[in-house]
Amino acid sequence: EAQVTQNPRYLITVTGKKLTVTCSQNMNHEYMSWYRQDPGLGLRQIYYSMNVEVTDKGDVPEGYKVSRKEKRNFPLILESPSPNQTSLYFCASTRGGLAGGMSNNEQFFGPGTRLTVL
Amino acid sequence: GESVGLHLPTLSVQEGDNSIINCAYSNSASDYFIWYKQESGKGPQFIIDIRSNMDKRQGQRVTVLLNKTVKHLSLQIAATQPGDSAVYFCGFSGGYNKLIFGAGTRLAVHP
Repeated sequence: EAQVTQNPRYLITVTGKKLTVTCSQNMNHEYMSWYRQDPGLGLRQIYYSMNVEVTDKGDVPEGYKVSRKEKRNFPLILESPSPNQTSLYFCASTRGGLAGGMSNNEQFFGPGTRLTVL
Repeated sequence: GESVGLHLPTLSVQEGDNSIINCAYSNSASDYFIWYKQESGKGPQFIIDIRSNMDKRQGQRVTVLLNKTVKHLSLQIAATQPGDSAVYFCGFSGGYNKLIFGAGTRLAVHP
């Protein structure tokens, strides 16, 4: 089954304790992305990756890091989490780049990770 | 700045009726628009997309209309079913490989 998986699904942590949220896709997609979803603000892009070893900032990258050492994995790293990073996080993947001339740029989203930073 | 607005935060419809969810955007340079559906506790699910060289695109029970003159995007759902109850997001390309999403409209389908 084609899917994007995220772990953990729920996490409660404390300020300053480094954490990693993993993301993996089994569709051999080049493009992967991380979003955070907050009430009233919708989905905001944190980072994205066009392919292995190619990453770039989205709209809200502060306080986050990513890496893309393998095509299937795109972990999100919070080196020193703070309470304002409490949010619902989604990883997504798509075959090509977004809006890159394709008529169907369907992004597949993971189930989400709810993070609470105390 | 760039923004995506939604006319109605909540839309209630009767089962079997047609639903129309509206979205306004401000970036006239955007060339790609998309609709997602998000059910409670799940990640967003792609519904349909449209490029700026089109004004209408149809899928299964859904139609997206794009009016570039007034920067307006709409999603029409025919014969709305209880399973259509969800939050619907519109989005548009805000630069290379970037998507900007609205806050969402909640669709409630009543029997």
